[in-house]
Parts: sequence; C-alpha cells; structure tokens
Amino acid sequence: DAGVTQSPTHLIKTRGQQVTLRCSPKSGHDTVSWYQQALGQGPQFIFQYYEEEERQRGNFPDRFSGHQFPNYSSELNVNALLLGDSALYLCASSPRTTTGELFFGEGSRLTVL
Amino acid sequence: RKEVEQDPGPFNVPEGATVAFNCTYSNSASQSFFWYRQDCRKEPKLLMSVYSSGNEDGRFTAQLNRASQYISLLIRDSKLSDSATYLCVVNEYSNYQLIWGAGTKLIIKP
Repeated sequence: DAGVTQSPTHLIKTRGQQVTLRCSPKSGHDTVSWYQQALGQGPQFIFQYYEEEERQRGNFPDRFSGHQFPNYSSELNVNALLLGDSALYLCASSPRTTTGELFFGEGSRLTVL
Repeated sequence: RKEVEQDPGPFNVPEGATVAFNCTYSNSASQSFFWYRQDCRKEPKLLMSVYSSGNEDGRFTAQLNRASQYISLLIRDSKLSDSATYLCVVNEYSNYQLIWGAGTKLIIKP
C-alpha cells in the first residue's frame, strides 16, 4: 500500500519563476492538504482540496494555487516566486471524516535563488 | 500572540531520563489535540492524540488542561531514538483547520 508520494523531492528556481509540485494521496484517502514548512518552523496550512475543489485556505497569497484531479491527486502551483518561498512543501492526505490524523509525503524542498 | 505556542528547545536530556514539554493554545473553542513527531529533514508523523482524560501509549503520556489551555507530553525512560522535534497540533472545528506549533526539539544523549 503506497503512502503519500510527492514529486519532485528537490528543486531550485529563481525569483519570478513558477513551480508546480505534485502529490498522490494514500490509497483510500480523498482529501489533500498542502503545507509550507520553513526551516525551524511548524507546517503552515496553505489549502485543502476535496472533491476537486478548494475547501479551506490558509493565509497565503493568490500566487499559491492548486488543483485536485478525479483520482484525488493534487498539484500546488506557485507563481512569481520570491526568496521567501524557499521551504519544504508537504502534502498530507486523509479521509474526509478525519479529525486530525494526516499522512504526509516526504515533501518537496524548494530553493528560490 | 501565536495560536499555538511551544518552547522551541532544544531539550538536551540523558538517555533514560524523563522529559516533559507543554504547548499552549489560544482558542478556547479548540476541540481536538495531537502530538506529531518529526525527525530531521523528514515528514511529520502522528505520535498520539490527546484526550480530555489524558492518555498513555507505552512510555508516552499526553494530558490536556482545558482550563489553562495547554497540552503536555511526557516521555519516560527516554531512548536515543526519541530524538526528534515534537509538534503540537490543535484542531479548530470552527474552520476544520489544524493549527501547528513550531515544535520542540528534543535531543537524547547517551
């Protein structure tokens, strides 16, 4: 049973560029949440997708957008990259009815130069 | 004031010792609470949920104090493998968002 998988694992971009990160949820999970984790900080909630729609959103600008596909996989897009976007981006999946247990992928480490 | 606050540590503790750390939360309407563990450069993993009556899982004990709005994690007979960052997580049912603390770093020394 595959867990949550994310790609790419590492990437380097320059300011102003755009990036797309991908996530496949754990089998049986239909809800995907994205988090940004800066070094030394806890994960910050970006948004959550269920039934191909954004259901909840954290305090992130519109440069951060996402998508969920019919197979529950998801993408996170970040436009006009800033140096401050450098972080570990974590995807977490869960069944819709969860009250708090999330299963995380290993993350995509983004460096913006 | 941050919504969920933790002492960042690091806590340097000898192997076999008992260590405890707290987490405070600001929203009194918070409904459920969790401790996650995150190893260096790895993803967070659920350690345990925190129930109102307190709960224990082997060497780990979690407690909730609603009046003072904090949760605690106690680790007994600490092992080298317990070295990690422990993240406190609060579920605010009003918006179904999980609010994460910044984590407490624990280092167990031989």
